Amino acid sequence: SAVISQKPSRDICQRGTSLTIQCQVDSQVTMMFWYRQQPGQSLTLIATANQGSEATYESGFVIDKFPISRPNLTFSTLTVSNMSPEDSSIYLCSVEGQGPDTQYFGPGTRLTVL
Amino acid sequence: GNSVTQMEGPVTLSEEAFLTINCTYTATGYPSLFWYVQYPGEGLQLLLKATKADDKGSNKGFEATYRKETTSFHLEKGSVQVSDSAVYFCALSDLQGAQKLVFGQGTRLTINP
Repeated sequence: SAVISQKPSRDICQRGTSLTIQCQVDSQVTMMFWYRQQPGQSLTLIATANQGSEATYESGFVIDKFPISRPNLTFSTLTVSNMSPEDSSIYLCSVEGQGPDTQYFGPGTRLTVL
Repeated sequence: GNSVTQMEGPVTLSEEAFLTINCTYTATGYPSLFWYVQYPGEGLQLLLKATKADDKGSNKGFEATYRKETTSFHLEKGSVQVSDSAVYFCALSDLQGAQKLVFGQGTRLTINP
């Protein structure tokens, strides 16, 4: 299985600011994914990030709010822009795993917006 | 669209009790089905999966059978331990999007000694 790390593990931010979350994986992967887990709720896919192409966003998520970079096969960033308290969530990255539809998840970044 | 509905939590059991966490799904086609577990302070981990009807996924004493006729994938364990305390997520693969996972709302399980 892949080993995935995320930075920061948690942060407290002021509204109106932006935060960039980093995701690093220990092996090369084609597909990386970003999810949001709002308090007490399930995971929702924000976007899929393939190296060398623009990220594909799910309904309800836009690039201006959640810009994503994917500069190489082991790294990706998600920026949460112009934050509001409603953005307080855990943000998780994942990568494709072995076997169909399998994904490995990072430990998550717990974001609190005041 | 595709969706997953899980048993409402939280669930509290005593050690060695029998566990069932219900999961039903709505999907077009034949998605793969998964159970993920999130231990306190840790990331999501794949617990088990099944890729076709009547398949049984199993791991760490947990089992779940892909029931197409009832569109269910209930998680079971015969004798739970305190270390099983975690949040459990049922999920399916969305065949409309490559590798897109759709998750249920999660069920928090607490096992008391």
